Amino acid sequence: DGGITQSPKYLFRKEGQNVTLSCEQNLNHDAMYWYRQDPGQGLRLIYYSQIVNDFQKGDIAEGYSVSREKKESFPLTVTSAQKNPTAFYLCASSITSGSGEQYFGPGTRLTVT
Amino acid sequence: AQSVSQHNHHVILSEAASLELGCNYSYGGTVNLFWYVQYPGQHLQLLLKYFSGDPLVKGIKGFEAEFIKSKFSFNLRKPSVQWSDTAEYFCAVNRGGNKLVFGAGTILRVKS
Repeated sequence: DGGITQSPKYLFRKEGQNVTLSCEQNLNHDAMYWYRQDPGQGLRLIYYSQIVNDFQKGDIAEGYSVSREKKESFPLTVTSAQKNPTAFYLCASSITSGSGEQYFGPGTRLTVT
Repeated sequence: AQSVSQHNHHVILSEAASLELGCNYSYGGTVNLFWYVQYPGQHLQLLLKYFSGDPLVKGIKGFEAEFIKSKFSFNLRKPSVQWSDTAEYFCAVNRGGNKLVFGAGTILRVKS
């Protein structure tokens, strides 16, 4: 089945540690995205990538980093510089020539204490 | 600032009641509009989308939405809700370059 996988589903870390969230897609999509979902705030764009080896900051990129070494993979690192990292993180993908319709993974809930 | 506004954060309805969730956006020009739904414990999934043409679009599970350009609105409707419609609903706008801007979401609870 084609889709987007994110692992793990739940992640716990201590403050001050960097943590990397995995996102893999087998939809053959060129574009991939990372969002953060907080209650009452909807989804906010962290980073996006339209093509391998290229990515751009979204609206709330501070304290996060990404890489896009393979078309299928777009890992997100939450660094210790992120002031409020506890959140639900969603990865998405899309074709680049379409209308913007995005397909979402199941999400990773990160808790930092 | 460019934004997407959803009018109600929480809505509670009884089964068989009609539903209308409001969505307004502040972008000018051509937009593509979406409603996504997040059922408890499930992926965010597309309910319906508007690109062009007929401003009344139909989606899955009996949902529809009407694009009113003059009002910058894209309200979601369903004539008769079911308990299984309990979910969080997000309106989104494609602001160009395949980047979506999402509203804050509306949590719908349907009482059986």
